[in-house]
Amino acid sequence: RKEVEQDPGPFNVPEGATVAFNCTYSNSASQSFFWYRQDCRKEPKLLMSVYSSGNEDGRFTAQLNRASQYISLLIRDSKLSDSATYLCVVPPGSSASKIIFGSGTRLSIRP
Amino acid sequence: DAGITQSPRHKVTETGTPVTLRCHQTENHRYMYWYRQDPGHGLRLIHYSYGVKDTDKGEVSDGYSVSRSKTEDFLLTLESATSSQTSVYFCAISDLGQDYEQYFGPGTRLTVT
Repeated sequence: RKEVEQDPGPFNVPEGATVAFNCTYSNSASQSFFWYRQDCRKEPKLLMSVYSSGNEDGRFTAQLNRASQYISLLIRDSKLSDSATYLCVVPPGSSASKIIFGSGTRLSIRP
Repeated sequence: DAGITQSPRHKVTETGTPVTLRCHQTENHRYMYWYRQDPGHGLRLIHYSYGVKDTDKGEVSDGYSVSRSKTEDFLLTLESATSSQTSVYFCAISDLGQDYEQYFGPGTRLTVT
């Protein structure tokens, strides 16, 4: 099993739809998780941090399932500006390991 | 936006030449990171620093060295560039370490011919 795995997509959904995608991880020592958003040819930007079971920020909800070792990102009422690649990040949780970035899920919102 | 700059932003160089990329921050964050991003691989950690003169290797450190003589500057050196090092390089900073939020610079697009 890869350390961090994301469905690469692309997810192509209409404006206003709800879309969700998952990220599975293998390092059970990780305590915190992050979702970053990356626009084409730009740097990743922090979208959400997940330190406990979940986090909500406006139209975005991140949830953590420690038993099954995955985190999810839900986007409600999607906007054209949500089109981007979403990166899942799993920090090491110990000094013996290193941070791992998922390869990203590409989301395209159509009018 | 966090105060992170990278220079140069674009560089084309020939195989075998040394290349140094610079990351500069104005946030006084303790931790600094160098990543490379390639299609199909996502971001991969090259080296990171947890303080002035304190550095450690990441996942893909072969062929790269780093130095940090000041809190605000983290240099990445390719001793002898190879075509496999053609990539986009991102610097990131963090106040508290790998288990916490990171903020990225705008990236350097490096092409080795």
